[in-house]
Amino acid sequence: AQSVSQHNHHVILSEAASLELGCNYSYGGTVNLFWYVQYPGQHLQLLLKYFSGDPLVKGIKGFEAEFIKSKFSFNLRKPSVQWSDTAEYFCAFRGGTYKYIFGTGTRLKVLA
Amino acid sequence: GAGVSQTPSNKVTEKGKYVELRCDPISGHTALYWYRQSLGQGPEFLIYFQGTGAADDSGLPNDRFFAVRPEGSVSTLKIQRTERGDSAVYLCASSSKTGWDTEAFFGQGTRLTVV
Repeated sequence: AQSVSQHNHHVILSEAASLELGCNYSYGGTVNLFWYVQYPGQHLQLLLKYFSGDPLVKGIKGFEAEFIKSKFSFNLRKPSVQWSDTAEYFCAFRGGTYKYIFGTGTRLKVLA
Repeated sequence: GAGVSQTPSNKVTEKGKYVELRCDPISGHTALYWYRQSLGQGPEFLIYFQGTGAADDSGLPNDRFFAVRPEGSVSTLKIQRTERGDSAVYLCASSSKTGWDTEAFFGQGTRLTVV
């Protein structure tokens, strides 16, 4: 069955620390990949997406993600986090279907 | 509207009652999704509409759940004989087309609590 694994459930960082959140999906064919973010009290918002082309994708607020097909991974990175990045982050993909399959999420807390 | 709108934002109902949850997608969006998010979990697919028709309802957990989109815009998720296990945040999302390279825009969700 198609699934997404997010390895880190809770992450706590100090401001200016670097961030990397892991995401692996299970599907052998062509995929669309997404990172969504949910700030406290707000709805899910798209952070970045990969459809095709350059596997290094840049999103909003300084986030980027790299698609590594051989590893079925789409890890999210940010070189220097801010207190305002405190949120829950969801990795999702679509593989051969219009359904978005989501991971369980990673709660990031950034200490000021 | 500017985004996907869901009403009500919160709903508390007694076990056994019937509830309806409404979703207003972004104007012109043809594709509409319903997801359910339980505590500590990611969104779980329920049903997908292309226009007025349910293209895939394989995620509906049982026959107590039903959704409609009669005019291809607003959608209603209906839950009969609610159970405590139905308590969750119900999310609606829409996208502008049904093709491959699209992204979904989510509403704020309806938090359903069955007591």
